[in-house]
Amino acid sequence: GAGVSQSPSNKVTEKGKDVELRCDPISGHTALYWYRQSLGQGLEFLIYFQGNSAPDKSGLPSDRFSAERTGGSVSTLTIQRTQQEDSAVYLCASSLGGTTDTQYFGPGTRLTVL
Amino acid sequence: GQQLNQSPQSMFIQEGEDVSMNCTSSSIFNTWLWYKQEPGEGPVLLIALYKAGELTSNGRLTAQFGITRKDSFLNISASIPSDVGIYFCAGSGSARQLTFGSGTQLTVLP
Repeated sequence: GAGVSQSPSNKVTEKGKDVELRCDPISGHTALYWYRQSLGQGLEFLIYFQGNSAPDKSGLPSDRFSAERTGGSVSTLTIQRTQQEDSAVYLCASSLGGTTDTQYFGPGTRLTVL
Repeated sequence: GQQLNQSPQSMFIQEGEDVSMNCTSSSIFNTWLWYKQEPGEGPVLLIALYKAGELTSNGRLTAQFGITRKDSFLNISASIPSDVGIYFCAGSGSARQLTFGSGTQLTVLP
C-alpha cells in the first residue's frame, strides 16, 4: 500500500499477557517511529529506528516495552506482562530519514488491557 | 522533558467562522508542525514551519513560527464541517522525535 499500515487495528488483552504490535512503513522510508496516545492526550514518543538500529529508546516507559526492526522495513513493538495503564492507541510513523523529513503516520493500534 | 502547551483544549464554532489556536513551549524548537487527526486515523500533516518568523499558508490554513522559536499559531478561515477533528501542534528540536501538544478538539456547528 501507499501509506503506513499497522496491525492489528484493535487488540483486547488480559492483564499480564504479552502483546505484539506491527508496523509496515512506507516503502523506502529509512526512519520509523513509535508513539503512544492515551485517551484525550497528545502523542508520546516511545522509540525511533534508523534502518534496523534504534539510536533513541528514551521514550520507552519501562523494560516491559521493547521494539525491533528487521530488514529496514517492518517493526514490531512488544509489550510484556501488560498492565491496565498500557491501554492506549499505539501509532507508528515513517519518514525518508532526514532530520526535517515529514513523518507519515499509520492509523494506529488501539490496545485495551482488561 | 520538553512540553508544549496547546490552547484552547476545545472549540465549538459556527460554520463560516474563523478559528485560531496556539502552542507555546518552555524550550526552543527548530521545526514547528501542525497535524490534524480524525477518529480512527493517525495524524495528518497540515503545515510545517522551519524558520523563526515564518508565515505559511495552505488553502484556508495559515500558521506562523514565532520569532522566539517557542510558539506557533494556526488559523483556519471560513470553517466548514469537514474541518472537524483534533488539531495538534508538534515541535522538533535537536532530536528527531516530535513533541506533541495535547490537542484542540474542533467542532463546527452548521
